[in-house]
Amino acid sequence: DAKTTQPPSMDCAEGRAANLPCNHSTISGNEYVYWYRQIHSQGPQYIIHGLKNNETNEMASLIITEDRKSSTLILPHATLRDTAVYYCIVTGKRSNTGKLIFGQGTTLQVKP
Amino acid sequence: DAGITQSPRHKVTETGTPVTLRCHQTENHRYMYWYRQDPGHGLRLIHYSYGVKDTDKGEVSDGYSVSRSKTEDFLLTLESATSSQTSVYFCAISESGVGTNEKLFFGSGTQLSVL
Repeated sequence: DAKTTQPPSMDCAEGRAANLPCNHSTISGNEYVYWYRQIHSQGPQYIIHGLKNNETNEMASLIITEDRKSSTLILPHATLRDTAVYYCIVTGKRSNTGKLIFGQGTTLQVKP
Repeated sequence: DAGITQSPRHKVTETGTPVTLRCHQTENHRYMYWYRQDPGHGLRLIHYSYGVKDTDKGEVSDGYSVSRSKTEDFLLTLESATSSQTSVYFCAISESGVGTNEKLFFGSGTQLSVL
C-alpha cells in the first residue's frame, strides 16, 4: 500500500471548515484513498473514501487532486465533537486484506 | 452504527493466564478482524477471518489464536498472557475484504492489562 504523509496536528475554530491534507505521491491506479477518525478511546470510525472523483457524504467531502498524489478531507462546519485523530489511508490490493496501515494521523483540535 | 459488541470492555489479568476476548456482530458481514493499538505503533492486525472457520494471520499474530465457529462471533485467545500483550484490542468487520472498495467498522475496544 502507498504511504501517506499528514501534518501531526491542526486547529480549527468551531463552525468553520476544517481542511485536512494528505500526501500520497506513490499511490497506484487501483488504490483508494480512505479517511477514518478516532475520537479519544473509541474505535476508529469510517468517514469517506474515493478513487479518482471527489466524494461527499453526510460527514465530509473528499477532494482528490487530478494526479491523485494528494487529497483533502473537508469537514464543512466543524464542531467540538469533531476533535479527533484523522487517518488518511491508501489501500487497494487484495493481498493486504485487513492490513490497514493507520500511521500517526492528524490530531484535529476544534476550538470554541 | 454497525452492530459490533466487544466483551469484556476492560480486563486485568496475570501473566501466564489464558484470556479470551469476544467480538459479536449483528451485520452478517463475512470479514472480521482483530487489531491491537499501542502508543507509537498505531493499529496492527493480529488475525482476521474471511468466513466461518476460515482465518489467517496478520502482522503480529505470535501468542494469539482465533476461532470463528459462527458468522457472528470471532474469538481472540491469548494462550498464556504476557505483559507485552497489554494493549487496547479492537474488533472490526467488513462486508468484503479490505483491499477492495470496502470499509471497516470497528467495535469500541477492549482494554487489557496483563500484570
